[in-house]
Amino acid sequence: NAGVTQTPKFRVLKTGQSMTLLCAQDMNHEYMYWYRQDPGMGLRLIHYSVGEGTTAKGEVPDGYNVSRLKKQNFLLGLESAAPSQTSVYFCATLPFRNTGELFFGEGSRLTVL
Amino acid sequence: ELKVEQNPLFLSMQEGKNYTIYCNYSTTSDRLYWYRQDPGKSLESLFVLLSNGAVKQEGRLMASLDTKARLSTLHITAAVHDLSATYFCAVNLMGGNQFYFGTGTSLTVIP
Repeated sequence: NAGVTQTPKFRVLKTGQSMTLLCAQDMNHEYMYWYRQDPGMGLRLIHYSVGEGTTAKGEVPDGYNVSRLKKQNFLLGLESAAPSQTSVYFCATLPFRNTGELFFGEGSRLTVL
Repeated sequence: ELKVEQNPLFLSMQEGKNYTIYCNYSTTSDRLYWYRQDPGKSLESLFVLLSNGAVKQEGRLMASLDTKARLSTLHITAAVHDLSATYFCAVNLMGGNQFYFGTGTSLTVIP
């Protein structure tokens, strides 16, 4: 039982390159979230999903796209990476709304040069 | 937009001392969460506070929620080095799907 798994754990990109972060969960949770963590700013929500095939924007969605084609996977894409997207990205899951706390992955550290 | 503020942002305290971290939020919510993050690690849940007046305790940590004041506190009793970490509070709007996090309080307990 792995819980919430993020890949890759580390990545270095050049400005303008694209990449996809994968969040996989084996807990059958309905809700999935992508956050970014920057020093002094806490965690900010990028996009989230309330079920397979659905996605919604969070606080800071610009420059990112997401997809949830399968219930267990939530993908975060950067089409044209910018240095401002250098951050640590966390995926989190929740069984249903109002069911308690988020379960977090280990994080993915992305550096854009 | 829901704003969540924590203070202090940085806290250095001696072992054995008591201290309180504060979490204020700007919009009505009846649910508040506390998380702990060790350096370079993920976040783990500490407390889930689901109603006004809720109080939960685990070891040397105690969390409380006052929804009328839009305030939660995390009280540390007789701090020990193992409590050194960053602590986040998070709130979600009543009936909402989004969780809003505070900026975090970085706690260092000095022997």
